[in-house]
Amino acid sequence: GAGVSQTPSNKVTEKGKYVELRCDPISGHTALYWYRQSLGQGPEFLIYFQGTGAADDSGLPNDRFFAVRPEGSVSTLKIQRTERGDSAVYLCASSLLAGAWNEQFFGPGTRLTVL
Amino acid sequence: GQNIDQPTEMTATEGAIVQINCTYQTSGFNGLFWYQQHAGEAPTFLSYNVLDGLEEKGRFSSFLSRSKGYSYLLLKELQMKDSASYLCAVPSHTGGFKTIFGAGTRLFVKA
Repeated sequence: GAGVSQTPSNKVTEKGKYVELRCDPISGHTALYWYRQSLGQGPEFLIYFQGTGAADDSGLPNDRFFAVRPEGSVSTLKIQRTERGDSAVYLCASSLLAGAWNEQFFGPGTRLTVL
Repeated sequence: GQNIDQPTEMTATEGAIVQINCTYQTSGFNGLFWYQQHAGEAPTFLSYNVLDGLEEKGRFSSFLSRSKGYSYLLLKELQMKDSASYLCAVPSHTGGFKTIFGAGTRLFVKA
């Protein structure tokens, strides 16, 4: 079956602009995670959804970052007033069951570049 | 808090065996993951250990010692395609939802 997909694969924007990154999880997966990965680093947790609700958003760096999952499937990560430091690969992952001890299936990521 | 340490880079020869170590510090323990990540690609699941000991899965094995806060990933019969980053990760000690990843170990397999 289809894996986790993310669009766009690449996004170049200017400092101060607004961007939206989309994630389509594996069908039927309850849990959805967003991570940010900088070069040479491991994924950094941003937010977790169980169904439609954000069960843990403690990783969001500041209030410029926001994510939604209105129907419990597709999720959108929104970044306002982008800064150069936001440049990274944004990864989405989903798992069948809730709880971080379950295997996560990652999407290919969106590479965000803020000029 | 939680902390994960793993070597930054390792080099090994095709056909050989390599062991990638990971030490972690956490106030609670909910298991340990290893993921493989090829350059420019998404991480993919390799193993999950929650009990002490060695778990073997084909050419890859993963070991855990909870008392020592230590794990390793053992790769046998190395192939060129094993050149990748190997990420050690632990679920948050607060339980539930957050996974903490190490910075990863970049493995270079040479002919």
